[in-house]
Amino acid sequence: KAGVTQTPRYLIKTRGQQVTLSCSPISGHRSVSWYQQTPGQGLQFLFEYFSETQRNKGNFPGRFSGRQFSNSRSEMNVSTLELGDSALYLCASSFGTYNSPLHFGNGTRLTVT
Amino acid sequence: AQSVSQHNHHVILSEAASLELGCNYSYGGTVNLFWYVQYPGQHLQLLLKYFSGDPLVKGIKGFEAEFIKSKFSFNLRKPSVQWSDTAEYFCAVNDPARAGTASKLTFGTGTRLQVTL
Repeated sequence: KAGVTQTPRYLIKTRGQQVTLSCSPISGHRSVSWYQQTPGQGLQFLFEYFSETQRNKGNFPGRFSGRQFSNSRSEMNVSTLELGDSALYLCASSFGTYNSPLHFGNGTRLTVT
Repeated sequence: AQSVSQHNHHVILSEAASLELGCNYSYGGTVNLFWYVQYPGQHLQLLLKYFSGDPLVKGIKGFEAEFIKSKFSFNLRKPSVQWSDTAEYFCAVNDPARAGTASKLTFGTGTRLQVTL
């Protein structure tokens, strides 16, 4: 069974630009969540999408947005990039129930210069 | 807001030594609890989980964790570590009633375990 796939693996962007990251969940999983991992703040929840609707949201500014498609694939967009957005962005999928654990992808390493 | 504390940031053990990594959380209601492991160069993998029932949970690779509600703790244990257990270990908590899902996790800062030969 294929795992969670994230593309691209690495990105380098300039301050002020925007970026879109992609995530394909495990087949059958309807929930996709996004996390930001940095050395200083650790792993922080961005948002969760379930059946194309945002179900939960973390404490990130509106520059961070996402969407989910009918095939459960998800994209995350960050607009007006700041240096502090440099991080590993992790996507995780699950069945989306209260007792369904997350399965993580390898992440997209974003560097903002 | 929930918080998770992992008191050990870096642990160095010799092979065959016993391991216990501490995890305490702040939330007093019903919680789901998890331990994830991140081996060098690999993605986060679920080690074990607690949703309800027996507070002693067994996971993969010989790991286990005990949920002690009165202490708000979910410590990870392994009787005899191997060199291949070298990794970073993350404790995480979820409030299933508030989130309606097990997807919104609050993570601890992680414990880096180094096992020497």
